[in-house]
Amino acid sequence: GQQVMQIPQYQHVQEGEDFTTYCNSSTTLSNIQWYKQRPGGHPVFLIQLVKSGEVKKQKRLTFQFGEAKKNSSLHITATQTTDVGTYFCAGRGTSYGKLTFGQGTILTVHP
Amino acid sequence: GAVVSQHPSWVICKSGTSVKIECRSLDFQATTMFWYRQFPKQSLMLMATSNEGSKATYEQGVEKDKFLINHASLTLSTLTVTSAHPEDSSFYICSARTGTMVTEAFFGQGTRLTVV
Repeated sequence: GQQVMQIPQYQHVQEGEDFTTYCNSSTTLSNIQWYKQRPGGHPVFLIQLVKSGEVKKQKRLTFQFGEAKKNSSLHITATQTTDVGTYFCAGRGTSYGKLTFGQGTILTVHP
Repeated sequence: GAVVSQHPSWVICKSGTSVKIECRSLDFQATTMFWYRQFPKQSLMLMATSNEGSKATYEQGVEKDKFLINHASLTLSTLTVTSAHPEDSSFYICSARTGTMVTEAFFGQGTRLTVV
């Protein structure tokens, strides 16, 4: 079945440093979504990428979808303490298919 | 965005008892609801997919007789953990979407279940 691998598992950064998490799927995806989960909270939708090679930005966050639609990345520029949490990618094999979540990257930001 | 309400947010129960968790879509009709389980510092594992008015589809390895899912209306799905054991302790999260909604899944707040 479809597998989504995400690295790194943990990332500790100083405030102001950049952060990147990577996601790789064993199969071609129809779309990929990114979520943020704060400690003790539930996943909150950040963005969906659909097109091959797509790049989307949300303020300090940049999301990319690979040309082959099998990998994706989330990059945060100049991290802030409010960025702490776990970032998950989740891919769909088909438009209406189930989401398969990556393992998540736990981000801690030291002030 | 759409709101999904999950209740209770936490529950402690005795071993052998059953616990029901509710998931409601507050401002949209959820034709499909998903139930996930999450262990500490781990990813969300899909347990089952339920479509309104039909039987849930369970993922491999999930016991359908232990985790009863009912999706009787377009705004409510329930997960009942039957004869709970300590190993069932976990964070359970539901998500919901409509048939026309392909962009995102809206998640409930989650339920922290502790079986003692």
